[in-house]
Amino acid sequence: EAQVTQNPRYLITVTGKKLTVTCSQNMNHEYMSWYRQDPGLGLRQIYYSMNVEVTDKGDVPEGYKVSRKEKRNFPLILESPSPNQTSLYFCASRLREGYSYEQYFGPGTRLTVT
Amino acid sequence: QQQVKQSPQSLIVQKGGISIINCAYENTAFDYFPWYQQFPGKGPALLIAIRPDVSEKKEGRFTISFNKSAKQFSLHIMDSQPGDSATYFCAATGPGGTSYGKLTFGQGTILTVHP
Repeated sequence: EAQVTQNPRYLITVTGKKLTVTCSQNMNHEYMSWYRQDPGLGLRQIYYSMNVEVTDKGDVPEGYKVSRKEKRNFPLILESPSPNQTSLYFCASRLREGYSYEQYFGPGTRLTVT
Repeated sequence: QQQVKQSPQSLIVQKGGISIINCAYENTAFDYFPWYQQFPGKGPALLIAIRPDVSEKKEGRFTISFNKSAKQFSLHIMDSQPGDSATYFCAATGPGGTSYGKLTFGQGTILTVHP
């Protein structure tokens, strides 16, 4: 089954404790991205990657890091989480060529930082 | 800076009624406008999309109307069903900008269809 998976689905942590949210897709997509969803703001892009070893900032990159060492994986790293990073996070992927191709979203990771 | 504005924030419709959600955009470089549907506990999923070279696109009970001059587009759900209860997001993207293919989302509309 073609899908984007994220782990963990739920995470409660404390300020300053480094964490990683994993994302993996099995569709051989080149383009992957991370979004955060907040009430009243919709989804906003954090980082994206056009291919292996190619990443760039989205609209709200502060406090986040990413890496793309393998085509299928695109982890999101919070090195020193803060309460304002409490949010619902989604990983997405699509084919690189043709920006109108459908983006496939993972099931989401709900993060709470206390 | 919210480049895509969506309204209403929430909508309650009776079964069989018509649900209408509106979006307005600012960036004239946008040329692909998808709508996403999100159920609780799930990620958004593509529902229907349109390009500005047509004024309307219909897929089953779902229709997008597009007004290029007004920079507005809307989603119409005909014969709304309780199973349509979800959060709907409009979005826009295009070839330009600093983030190729980035989806710029509206704020979302929570639709509730009463039986």
